[in-house]
Amino acid sequence: EAGVAQSPRYKIIEKRQSVAFWCNPISGHATLYWYQQILGQGPKLLIQFQNNGVVDDSQLPKDRFSAERLKGVDSTLKIQPAKLEDSAVYLCASSFMTGSPGNTIYFGEGSWLTVV
Amino acid sequence: AQTVTQSQPEMSVQEAETVTLSCTYDTSESDYYLFWYKQPPSRQMILVIRQEAYKQQNATENRFSVNFQKAAKSFSLKISDSQLGDAAMYFCAYSEGETSGSRLTFGEGTQLTVNP
Repeated sequence: EAGVAQSPRYKIIEKRQSVAFWCNPISGHATLYWYQQILGQGPKLLIQFQNNGVVDDSQLPKDRFSAERLKGVDSTLKIQPAKLEDSAVYLCASSFMTGSPGNTIYFGEGSWLTVV
Repeated sequence: AQTVTQSQPEMSVQEAETVTLSCTYDTSESDYYLFWYKQPPSRQMILVIRQEAYKQQNATENRFSVNFQKAAKSFSLKISDSQLGDAAMYFCAYSEGETSGSRLTFGEGTQLTVNP
């Protein structure tokens, strides 16, 4: 079974530029998550989708971050304009369905962003 | 809000010996799930073990076991017969399941070094 796919794996941009990350979840997984992991910290949830609807985006800095999940499969996370503090690993994850207690959540390998 | 605390930023163990990683959490819920994830340098989060709060029996997966103390809100991970491949960052995580859509709240992590 293919895992959660993310691209690009690495990106270096200058501040105020824009960047987009793509995620393809495990086939059949209805729930998709984007986490931000700053170096030395645990991952923090940015946004959660159930199919193509947003379940929780309370921690998403909406003035610069946006995310979509068209057709309930792939997802794109965009940052515009980027700030130095956005340097982090962006982890995409998926699970079979929301609301099933204790769902196993599977993670991709992450997209590493460095803002200079 | 739920919080997860890992008080040991770094731990080390000799190969073949046993090590215990600590985790405490804060919640007012009675039904929830706890997880330990392993994160190697590749940054992919790999599920090690999980515990349902309503189960009194501690979870075990091969060399990995937990000590779940619900009243004390403590959830430690014991790694027996440590191997060089166990070296990684370990994250404790909490999920409420149905009420939060299974999303995870992570601790800050414990970096485990295994010495040959």
